[in-house]
Amino acid sequence: AQKVTQAQTEISVVEKEDVTLDCVYETRDTTYYLFWYKQPPSGELVFLIRRNSFDEQNEISGRYSWNFQKSTSSFNFTITASQVVDSAVYFCALTGNQFYFGTGTSLTVIP
Amino acid sequence: DSGVTQTPKHLITATGQRVTLRCSPRSGDLSVYWYQQSLDQGLQFLIQYYNGEERAKGNILERFSAQQFPDLHSELNLSSLELGDSALYFCASSVIGGAEGADTQYFGPGTRLTVL
Repeated sequence: AQKVTQAQTEISVVEKEDVTLDCVYETRDTTYYLFWYKQPPSGELVFLIRRNSFDEQNEISGRYSWNFQKSTSSFNFTITASQVVDSAVYFCALTGNQFYFGTGTSLTVIP
Repeated sequence: DSGVTQTPKHLITATGQRVTLRCSPRSGDLSVYWYQQSLDQGLQFLIQYYNGEERAKGNILERFSAQQFPDLHSELNLSSLELGDSALYFCASSVIGGAEGADTQYFGPGTRLTVL
């Protein structure tokens, strides 16, 4: 069975702090894809990153970075120097025969 | 802006009624997906269409149905509505939408359905 666990339901940080959002997944597939999406208060789901199971290289995009570790089945997301605009719900997702979303982590960045 | 459009943005209706939600995918995308997001159930995959044919089915109730038309837009029909159907319904599209789900899905702004 495929499953995504985001154990952190809510996180609050003060602006400019770094924050890491955890994502742990379960799958028996050897080929799979992992995603992160952001859902700001306005409600839309914004694609952030896609990573396939064969590429364990970490990725950095501006203040965002992702750490993929197959050994621990984790795909964690770090925001460096957080800003108020980062306040949103962040979803991790795994593909199999369909998309499996985690329950999301609500991040609040306090000015 | 993802390029995926959904109408209407908001819908308020009564129990027992039927509604139709519409989705237009990004230009060039052949696959359309429907999701339901509610407070208690989170984001639930409902159904996927690829080039007019049903490709995958998730937790879709029998009271719900969907189709994808030749111009690739899709409609989600919800009937015999219950209070518990109140939710945000998202449509997403992707280029191909293989069974392995390798494509990135781009989401529309959603339709907020309120059943009174």
